[in-house]
Amino acid sequence: DQQVKQNSPSLSVQEGRISILNCDYTNSMFDYFLWYKKYPAEGPTFLISISSIKDKNEDGRFTVFLNKSAKHLSLHIVPSQPGDSAVYFCAAAGREGTSGSRLTFGEGTQLTVNP
Amino acid sequence: NAGVTQTPKFQVLKTGQSMTLQCAQDMNHEYMSWYRQDPGMGLRLIHYSVGAGITDQGEVPNGYNVSRSTTEDFPLRLLSAAPSQTSVYFCASRRQPYSNQPQHFGDGTRLSIL
Repeated sequence: DQQVKQNSPSLSVQEGRISILNCDYTNSMFDYFLWYKKYPAEGPTFLISISSIKDKNEDGRFTVFLNKSAKHLSLHIVPSQPGDSAVYFCAAAGREGTSGSRLTFGEGTQLTVNP
Repeated sequence: NAGVTQTPKFQVLKTGQSMTLQCAQDMNHEYMSWYRQDPGMGLRLIHYSVGAGITDQGEVPNGYNVSRSTTEDFPLRLLSAAPSQTSVYFCASRRQPYSNQPQHFGDGTRLSIL
């Protein structure tokens, strides 16, 4: 069963507008969440993360929101730039002693930012 | 600073052949892992290691073996390749095993099994 789901395979936005990427999870033992960005022919690179004790984390143009009651997180990119065009993966990790070190990834969302 | 290095970048195999995908990191990271990426399925964990001499199975371990004789290297072996193992394989590392630090990924090995 897919414990981390990204229901939108693709998203297209105009340059300068906001991009919102969504992620849902089912495992209540997850307590840390990360977003990775992936360009073609490269490995994923870390973008931003959030602990379950927070509901928001911001880093420049990127903000991640966590709604624990809904088991939902989202990544906001403002303003979007053409260089943001990539596949974005949501990932979740459990507490040490459960799934511990292991990350569970979503399917990914292809973001295209049009000039 | 090379980070995580994977070789080869591309490989074509025939069904039944064996091969080893190499992964090396120069960051003295304890935790290393292998993922496969398939369309519509994200990255799935194959095997991981929390330190030299210690390995464990991930989500999709069947058909793959690993070993961790040194901190730097974490090779992935396909003993008898099957078409279902056609995928892109990523190796990743992190400084500490039980930590929420982000993982560093290599650039991947694209493997085709005919």
